Amino acid sequence: DVKVTQSSRYLVKRTGEKVFLECVQDMDHENMFWYRQDPGLGLRLIYFSYDVKMKEKGDIPEGYSVSREKKERFSLILESASTNQTSMYLCASTVGSYGYTFGSGTRLTVV
Amino acid sequence: KNEVEQSPQNLTAQEGEFITINCSYSVGISALHWLQQHPGGGIVSLFMLSSGKKKHGRLIATINIQEKHSSLHITASHPRDSAVYICAVKGAQKLVFGQGTRLTINP
Repeated sequence: DVKVTQSSRYLVKRTGEKVFLECVQDMDHENMFWYRQDPGLGLRLIYFSYDVKMKEKGDIPEGYSVSREKKERFSLILESASTNQTSMYLCASTVGSYGYTFGSGTRLTVV
Repeated sequence: KNEVEQSPQNLTAQEGEFITINCSYSVGISALHWLQQHPGGGIVSLFMLSSGKKKHGRLIATINIQEKHSSLHITASHPRDSAVYICAVKGAQKLVFGQGTRLTINP
């Protein structure tokens, strides 16, 4: 089975800190995605990547950046965390037209 | 209007009942996904379908492309089926998600 591993389940960070959320998949998938999930808003796409060193903005990229230096790893970066970035963050990967595999999520609280 | 609408938003039923969750979409799609999210956050992909019907255990998913509608059915529901069920459609590049249906099955 494909595994998508997110490095932390829970994180608490201070306003203004630089935050790294890591996502690793073990099945050589080309496509990786970062979403945030908020009550009443559902899942929203932040960034996605179709290959190493390639990235595309999703629907809500403001305040975020990403890095994909290796195929298996897709990192989400909050350059200067703010309280409105408190959310559940979910990583996913897929290849071609196959189903998506999601990580367990990281619940980030910015205080 | 959202591109993907689910109904109902919340559903409470007794153990053993037959459950139906509906999903309507307004965009052209290449595939439709049904996802399950348990408390704690992890999401599991249940089905991906582009036509007809798929069955896995007590879960059945159907899609009608002409009507832009899909249903997820759960037979002989059980408290462990309690979760949020999310419909997502894949357009040209990315998934578009419904708001989710929170299902609670009481023993």
